[in-house]
Amino acid sequence: DAKTTQPNSMESNEEEPVHLPCNHSTISGTDYIHWYRQLPSQGPEYVIHGLTSNVNNRMASLAIAEDRKSSTLILHRATLRDAAVYYCILRALNDMRFGAGTRLTVKP
Amino acid sequence: EAGVTQSPTHLIKTRGQQATLRCSPISGHTSVYWYQQALGLGLQFLLWYDEGEERNRGNFPPRFSGRQFPNYSSELNVNALELEDSALYLCASSLPLAGVSTDTQYFGPGTRLTVL
Repeated sequence: DAKTTQPNSMESNEEEPVHLPCNHSTISGTDYIHWYRQLPSQGPEYVIHGLTSNVNNRMASLAIAEDRKSSTLILHRATLRDAAVYYCILRALNDMRFGAGTRLTVKP
Repeated sequence: EAGVTQSPTHLIKTRGQQATLRCSPISGHTSVYWYQQALGLGLQFLLWYDEGEERNRGNFPPRFSGRQFPNYSSELNVNALELEDSALYLCASSLPLAGVSTDTQYFGPGTRLTVL
């Protein structure tokens, strides 16, 4: 029972920004928003996480809506190596469940 | 630093048999998670162990069980295998320093279980 909703797939051109949306309308006050991605034939890898404020790291940025019912993962310049399935997850004590994710295709 | 390791890489069993999958976490990590990923699907949470105790389990029947050893390695056992148990089983480890809501999970390469 995933608590997040993501588009099944998205496409991007290489070196362009990508905005991956996630809806989590039932988020509770203590849920953290995590993003992981799974490259082909690999286990998932951590991308970023946040609670209320926008977050930046070397991989991506996370923009969280003021009401926290949605968030957006931003890849500033997509590369072919960013082609993967991106999972948005709500993380709380004793609970971490992946949804179906968004398959990102990057075109050269 | 060595990452999460899983063994075996591939496992072939027949229906009704038992399968045992093993996971070694990153050194110093106390939490181990198990996930099932059927072909073309997302990850389904199976089990979470921390400090040797089962902390949570997903919506799987009791024939899926496991344990965590004193060195924090873990074992997943699947009894009475069914054809639909064929999947990639992923293990992840973490060190919940600031609480489990913020810990980062590091995944192993998985064990591909095929049930014939």
